[in-house]
Amino acid sequence: GAVVSQHPSWVICKSGTSVKIECRSLDFQATTMFWYRQFPKQSLMLMATSNEGSKATYEQGVEKDKFLINHASLTLSTLTVTSAHPEDSSFYICSARDRGLNSPLHFGNGTRLTVT
Amino acid sequence: QKEVEQNSGPLSVPEGAIASLNCTYSDRGSQSFFWYRQYSGKSPELIMSIYSNGDKEDGRFTAQLNKASQYVSLLIRDSQPSDSATYLCAVTPGKSTFGDGTTLTVKP
Repeated sequence: GAVVSQHPSWVICKSGTSVKIECRSLDFQATTMFWYRQFPKQSLMLMATSNEGSKATYEQGVEKDKFLINHASLTLSTLTVTSAHPEDSSFYICSARDRGLNSPLHFGNGTRLTVT
Repeated sequence: QKEVEQNSGPLSVPEGAIASLNCTYSDRGSQSFFWYRQYSGKSPELIMSIYSNGDKEDGRFTAQLNKASQYVSLLIRDSQPSDSATYLCAVTPGKSTFGDGTTLTVKP
């Protein structure tokens, strides 16, 4: 149980275009999902907390207009990288808890974004 | 103050040895404690959960929790090269953030 599915697993896009990444909880409902970014050999950085039916909460320094998050249902959150630039190339990972605040995080397999 | 602090790595052990990874946490009210493993280029995966003082064993892995001292550790017995990864600890309730973790290398 507690499977988080993330798509696509990798994507290459041209500079200036937008890319959408989907994160789905397959066997549980997630009122909250988390989006992380990780550059090579660096630690996971929390970008934002996605809340079902309301606005996402962004961490300091993360541009909310650039990284659009939509959590339209209890099983789906999307991250759209708008007007992507090469410096946005990174590994994006989503996660969710399956049983409330004290349950562990379950991670998607991540999306490797390359902006050319 | 950071939510969790892990012993600085990298940690290198020979194959077959015991690897010991430590984590201290700042919030005395923390209730749940988790260890994740992240292979290079992959997303983290949950490997151990512990909720009460003492030891919890799962195969070659043992998680130890000491709430009085606010630390949680992970012991890996009979370490294998496939255990080479970065290990992250996390507590709840919390900010769902992670530190640098401890990178373990098991040498054949």
